[in-house]
Amino acid sequence: GQNIDQPTEMTATEGAIVQINCTYQTSGFNGLFWYQQHAGEAPTFLSYNVLDGLEEKGRFSSFLSRSKGYSYLLLKELQMKDSASYLCAVTDSNYQLIWGAGTKLIIKP
Amino acid sequence: GAVVSQHPSWVICKSGTSVKIECRSLDFQATTMFWYRQFPKQSLMLMATSNEGSKATYEQGVEKDKFLINHASLTLSTLTVTSAHPEDSSFYICSARDREDYEQYFGPGTRLTVT
Repeated sequence: GQNIDQPTEMTATEGAIVQINCTYQTSGFNGLFWYQQHAGEAPTFLSYNVLDGLEEKGRFSSFLSRSKGYSYLLLKELQMKDSASYLCAVTDSNYQLIWGAGTKLIIKP
Repeated sequence: GAVVSQHPSWVICKSGTSVKIECRSLDFQATTMFWYRQFPKQSLMLMATSNEGSKATYEQGVEKDKFLINHASLTLSTLTVTSAHPEDSSFYICSARDREDYEQYFGPGTRLTVT
C-alpha cells in the first residue's frame, strides 16, 4: 500500500530552527510537495522536490532523498505565524497526490 | 500565479436539503480538478478526481450518488451534496491542475454545516 509518515506534532521556540521529517512508500514517484495549512484554511504551497537535494526558499528549505524515500522541511528563524500544520504529499506514478496526515507545529515564545 | 476560487466560502443548510459548491480556476484551464474533505484535526481526504468532459472518479467509500460532481468546462467544477446530513458537515476544498503543470492549486475551501 501507499504510505506517508510524518510526526503528529512538534514544538519549537520562536527564533529557532525546526526540521519536519517525512518518509514515504508509494507506487512510483513523481515529486514531493510540502504544504502549510493554518487552522480553518486551505493548504498553501511551500515547496516541490523531484530531484535529490536541497531546495531553499527564504526561511524554508526542503530536502529530498529518493533512494531513502525521505524528505524534510526545514524552517529557520521561526516566527509565531509559522504555527500551523505542515503536510507532506507525494505524487505517485498516476500523478495522484498521496497525503501525509500532517505535522502540527507549535511555536512557543 | 494560478488562482482557484470557491463559492460559497461557508454555508449552513438544513438536514435533507442539497448544497452546491462551485470551484473555478480563474486564470488557467484546469483539465483536472480534485475535491477533498477535511474533518477537524484531520488531514485532507480525497473524495474524487474529475477531468473535464468526463465522469468523476470517486475514492473508495465516497458515495457518488450523494456527492455529485460536474466538471462541465475547463474552468468550473461543482460538487453537490445531496440530502445532506449533519455528519456531512465538514470543510470541502477543491484543487485544480492544468495539463502543463505538476502542481495542484487549492481553492480557499467551503465550510459546510448541516443542522
